[in-house]
Amino acid sequence: AQSVTQLDSQVPVFEEAPVELRCNYSSSVSVYLFWYVQYPNQGLQLLLKYLSGSTLVESINGFEAEFNKSQTSFHLRKPSVHISDTAEYFCAVSPTGTASKLTFGTGTRLQVTL
Amino acid sequence: KAGVTQTPRYLIKTRGQQVTLSCSPISGHRSVSWYQQTPGQGLQFLFEYFSETQRNKGNFPGRFSGRQFSNSRSEMNVSTLELGDSALYLCASTLGTGSTEAFFGQGTRLTVV
Repeated sequence: AQSVTQLDSQVPVFEEAPVELRCNYSSSVSVYLFWYVQYPNQGLQLLLKYLSGSTLVESINGFEAEFNKSQTSFHLRKPSVHISDTAEYFCAVSPTGTASKLTFGTGTRLQVTL
Repeated sequence: KAGVTQTPRYLIKTRGQQVTLSCSPISGHRSVSWYQQTPGQGLQFLFEYFSETQRNKGNFPGRFSGRQFSNSRSEMNVSTLELGDSALYLCASTLGTGSTEAFFGQGTRLTVV
């Protein structure tokens, strides 16, 4: 079984400031790791994923996450946030080999203000 | 390429009734998974269907059931609705074998009154 802990339920930040959203996981098997973003009344959109290989993964809109196996973490970072980044962010894991059964964290609400 | 389509988007039902939600996956995807999202419990996995067979199941009562058709479209049914079933129900489609990414629909918002 897997579990995911997102330590911060809300993160307020000013526009153009850096941000880090924290995610820790627990699993007895090897896993894939994901970050999803959800805008109000919408489904989930994949932001980035770690499957294997390089521990640093990047998205097209400036987010990055680093897989740390020893600390069982997959924190999400962005060096400079924009108002449009305001959304709910979910960290998720699945057993290696399939993305069909995801275990999600409780989510972090990122609130970007001027 | 069309995305994952869920219908209806919004639904209001009365306690004790039953409801059926529909999900059409991305063309070529053979697996459909269902999730329940509530403010209190967050996102929870309900079940997964692959090639018309339930392959994985979460920890939900038997009132929650599903099925998948030969064209990979899936339906989820909830019988004897309770107030606590009010939630956003999301479905996700994947290739099914060796999948590395799940694509989500916009969800069906179910309100039980």
